[in-house]
Amino acid sequence: SQKIEQNSEALNIQEGKTATLTCNYTNYSPAYLQWYRQDPGRGPVFLLLIRENEKEKRKERLKVTFDTTLKQSLFHITASQPADSATYLCALASGTYKYIFGTGTRLKVLA
Amino acid sequence: DTGVSQDPRHKITKRGQNVTFRCDPISEHNRLYWYRQTLGQGPEFLTYFQNEAQLEKSRLLSDRFSAERPKGSFSTLEIQRTEQGDSAMYLCASSLAARGSGANVLTFGAGSRLTVL
Repeated sequence: SQKIEQNSEALNIQEGKTATLTCNYTNYSPAYLQWYRQDPGRGPVFLLLIRENEKEKRKERLKVTFDTTLKQSLFHITASQPADSATYLCALASGTYKYIFGTGTRLKVLA
Repeated sequence: DTGVSQDPRHKITKRGQNVTFRCDPISEHNRLYWYRQTLGQGPEFLTYFQNEAQLEKSRLLSDRFSAERPKGSFSTLEIQRTEQGDSAMYLCASSLAARGSGANVLTFGAGSRLTVL
């Protein structure tokens, strides 16, 4: 069956360091992969989208990679700040409309 | 239009009662989604509308659940005869189907938290 795995354990890092979050998937051939941020009690907020034919995407301090051979995406936050503390979700779409979400990884940036 | 609005934000009900949630999407968005999220989990897809047509329903959506989007604008999600297992955050999202690119970005509302006692 289709599966999207994100590290369910919280990731604690020191302020200023680079946070790297992982999204692995099986039995899937996604055309698009997105990363969202979710704060407690709020809906997810879109951060970045990457297509299957793209290797890397950047936006300010954020970088996403997409390896369709390894079936993995990595999400990096450089120069992390306490305000980056949140849950980060990856979402995959095979077609043009339906996104399936991973369980999310909770990031805590320590001051 | 400041985003996707959901109402109510919180609902506490007794088992067996019916509840209805409303979602007002971004006005120019033609796609509307309902997701359900429980603690520590990611959002689970429930159903999807393109304009007023409901194009897909998850198997998670039992016959106690019904969603509508009359006139392709706001949407309602009704749960009949609620059960304790229905307790969750119900998230609505909307997007604009972009011609050519295929990809679309979801804009979520803040969610409606349901507690069934």
